[in-house]
Amino acid sequence: EAEVAQSPRYKITEKSQAVAFWCDPISGHATLYWYRQILGQGPELLVQFQDESVVDDSQLPKDRFSAERLKGVDSTLKIQPAELGDSAMYLCASSQNRNEQYFGPGTRLTVT
Amino acid sequence: AQSVSQHNHHVILSEAASLELGCNYSYGGTVNLFWYVQYPGQHLQLLLKYFSGDPLVKGIKGFEAEFIKSKFSFNLRKPSVQWSDTAEYFCAVSNNDMRFGAGTRLTVKP
Repeated sequence: EAEVAQSPRYKITEKSQAVAFWCDPISGHATLYWYRQILGQGPELLVQFQDESVVDDSQLPKDRFSAERLKGVDSTLKIQPAELGDSAMYLCASSQNRNEQYFGPGTRLTVT
Repeated sequence: AQSVSQHNHHVILSEAASLELGCNYSYGGTVNLFWYVQYPGQHLQLLLKYFSGDPLVKGIKGFEAEFIKSKFSFNLRKPSVQWSDTAEYFCAVSNNDMRFGAGTRLTVKP
């Protein structure tokens, strides 16, 4: 069964450092999502791509976060500089028709 | 503002007990509704979904949910829970974007 791949699974970084996460969606899925999930809360959408174009990044803190999906396949989410409050699980999901989303295992970020 | 509310933060049940987890949303217009489950150490998985048609939808592992439009609700049910149902359950609503509830942690005691 096809899955969404994410790496790394865990990342520990010091505040003010740069950090990047990678996501490879299910083959053929045009829509890709990045979510942030703080412990005890549900996932919150950070950015949504349709192919290589950003559809929604209204909740992305653009002063420090950036995301790209240059070829419309895999995607990278970057934080620079990282802050203590960025500690969370970062989830990637993909969908074929903007409805049912398939989630990857996530990257757990700890900022010290 | 658009929101999704899950009323129960943590539910503890014994095996064979019946389960109902509440979910309410505050969206106008047409929505798609989902329940996702996250088992310990695993990623989010789709449990069931409602797009249109019969408001009673059946999902995997014996779960079902009922969409009541007048109440803006999409409650999850299971007649008899098992220890393996211990997990975190998230209700989600999709309009133009997907919004998740805060989740309900279910603990089933053997």
